[in-house]
Amino acid sequence: TQLLEQSPQFLSIQEGENLTVYCNSSSVFSSLQWYRQEPGEGPVLLVTVVTGGEVKKLKRLTFQFGDARKDSSLHITAAQPGDTGLYLCAGAGRYNFNKFYFGSGTKLNVKP
Amino acid sequence: SQTIHQWPATLVQPVGSPLSLECTVEGTSNPNLYWYRQAAGRGLQLLFYSVGIGQISSEVPQNLSASRPQDRQFILSSKKLLLSDSGFYLCAWSDRGGQPQHFGDGTRLSIL
Repeated sequence: TQLLEQSPQFLSIQEGENLTVYCNSSSVFSSLQWYRQEPGEGPVLLVTVVTGGEVKKLKRLTFQFGDARKDSSLHITAAQPGDTGLYLCAGAGRYNFNKFYFGSGTKLNVKP
Repeated sequence: SQTIHQWPATLVQPVGSPLSLECTVEGTSNPNLYWYRQAAGRGLQLLFYSVGIGQISSEVPQNLSASRPQDRQFILSSKKLLLSDSGFYLCAWSDRGGQPQHFGDGTRLSIL
């Protein structure tokens, strides 16, 4: 069974601080996605990474896929209250890429 | 552009009653379709996915079932709901090949 571990589970920081969220597994994934979810809504896709070692930037967000395609990180620079939400990573299966495995989520609260 | 509709938004049902949640996608053909359940503030648990009409893969043995009567319609059902079926149910679609998923707004199901 493929399992994605996210850390930390909860993060409460002041506006302007930097933070990193980690998504780790012992399994290889064909691709990995990061989502952000607001309470009572569905997750919204932030980015997809496919190649080992790939780095993608989305404004103040930097996403990295591990060289072995087993782990990923999300770094936010100068966090803002609008970044508050539940961050989820999801990996597509290595052999069945129609199937996705979600991490347990990181709940981020950015205080003004 | 593609859109996904999921209803109802909230549902309160007594234990032992039947369930039918519906999800439809517009603006795409032959999508992969997914049903997930999410505990409060946590990751998503894959329940069912479908790669075509009448094709259902079940990931978690339980008293729920899924059907895909049309290309862009995915239905989650139960004959008799249990208290443990309470949760936030999310429908998602993706292009063939396991591309990133796009989620509906979810259904909050409460069992009394």
